[in-house]
Amino acid sequence: DARVTQTPRHKVTEMGQEVTMRCQPILGHNTVFWYRQTMMQGLELLAYFRNRAPLDDSGMPKDRFSAEMPDATLATLKIQPSEPRDSAVYFCASGLPRNTEAFFGQGTRLTVV
Amino acid sequence: AQRVTQPEKLLSVFKGAPVELKCNYSYSGSPELFWYVQYSRQRLQLLLRHISRESIKGFTADLNKGETSFHLKKPFAQEEDSAMYYCALINAGGTSYGKLTFGQGTILTVHP
Repeated sequence: DARVTQTPRHKVTEMGQEVTMRCQPILGHNTVFWYRQTMMQGLELLAYFRNRAPLDDSGMPKDRFSAEMPDATLATLKIQPSEPRDSAVYFCASGLPRNTEAFFGQGTRLTVV
Repeated sequence: AQRVTQPEKLLSVFKGAPVELKCNYSYSGSPELFWYVQYSRQRLQLLLRHISRESIKGFTADLNKGETSFHLKKPFAQEEDSAMYYCALINAGGTSYGKLTFGQGTILTVHP
């Protein structure tokens, strides 16, 4: 049963520290999304990639967030420095353009204190 | 710019009552719309897509281009329908092809 895998599942860190979240998309999927889930905003699209190239990262605060795909099996989302307002659940999803269904990971719950 | 709006954060109904979760969208082209669901302690997953015109778990959704809406409906709610529901839109062309945008989500609670 192919699934999107995210690590870590939970992260508590102090303000100012660097946070790295990782995602392993489903093998063969060439589109990867990063979302942030909050009660107020719902699911905000931070960035998405196709064939490892970033297509849109306009939803991401550029001064502290960065997203990359070092290879087809790994996507990373980094926050440096982290702030309390970054506390949220971060989801990764993968899919194929023609299929249009996105498959989600279980999320990383980030708490910045 | 594409945008999805779900006006209700919380919706409560009793078992057996009809339920409607509202979704409105803004998109310049021809939209492809979806409903995703997140049950407690489970992953977010696709519930249904408008192009399939299907009924899943008794839910249906009709695309109304005139009102730019894609409301999710079920005639008789069940307790197991309690979950978070997200409406989503995918960009089907242009430079943002494949961009998947979600609304704010609606938490549905079905009481016994």
